[in-house]
Amino acid sequence: GENVEQHPSTLSVQEGDSAVIKCTYSDSASNYFPWYKQELGKGPQLIIDIRSNVGEKKDQRIAVTLNKTAKHFSLHITETQPEDSAVYFCAAGKLIFGQGTELSVKP
Amino acid sequence: GAGVSQSPSNKVTEKGKDVELRCDPISGHTALYWYRQRLGQGLEFLIYFQGNSAPDKSGLPSDRFSAERTGESVSTLTIQRTQQEDSAVYLCASSSLPLGLSRDTQYFGPGTRLTVL
Repeated sequence: GENVEQHPSTLSVQEGDSAVIKCTYSDSASNYFPWYKQELGKGPQLIIDIRSNVGEKKDQRIAVTLNKTAKHFSLHITETQPEDSAVYFCAAGKLIFGQGTELSVKP
Repeated sequence: GAGVSQSPSNKVTEKGKDVELRCDPISGHTALYWYRQRLGQGLEFLIYFQGNSAPDKSGLPSDRFSAERTGESVSTLTIQRTQQEDSAVYLCASSSLPLGLSRDTQYFGPGTRLTVL
């Protein structure tokens, strides 16, 4: 079945640095790639998504890039802040999620 | 407006008991999803409802798990004869468009944390 691999599982950065999280997927028919942020005790919240007809999308400090040929997509967070600390999940479509990346931003 | 709500927020039960978890989706959302999230893990898809019907039950891990939805609104996930491996956070999400239409966002509830002793 379809699978999504997410790396790294944990990521620690200094405030102000950039953070990059990468995902690869197996189903070449996938055409929707959302990213979610999950804070402790809460459900995941969509932060950005990209569809297969574009290669990059940016929203303030957050950007996502997609390489359909290689079947991978990445989340980029620039100028990280302590409030960015959370678990981030990628997904292919609505049903298949990566294992999550625990991001810690140290002040 | 109101988001997706789930109840109870926490449930502790003894092995072998049945439990019911409830999800109230955003009003007007026709699609509803259940996921299981084990500690430190990603989201595992369980079941999807479009309206009151469940075209995709492929994720239900065993016949102890069942779900229903009534009135294109509230959904309940029932786990019979609970086992310790059922301990997890059960998340519900809803969206306004059917699964196959990707130009749509899933909105998640806060989850129910189930602990089976």
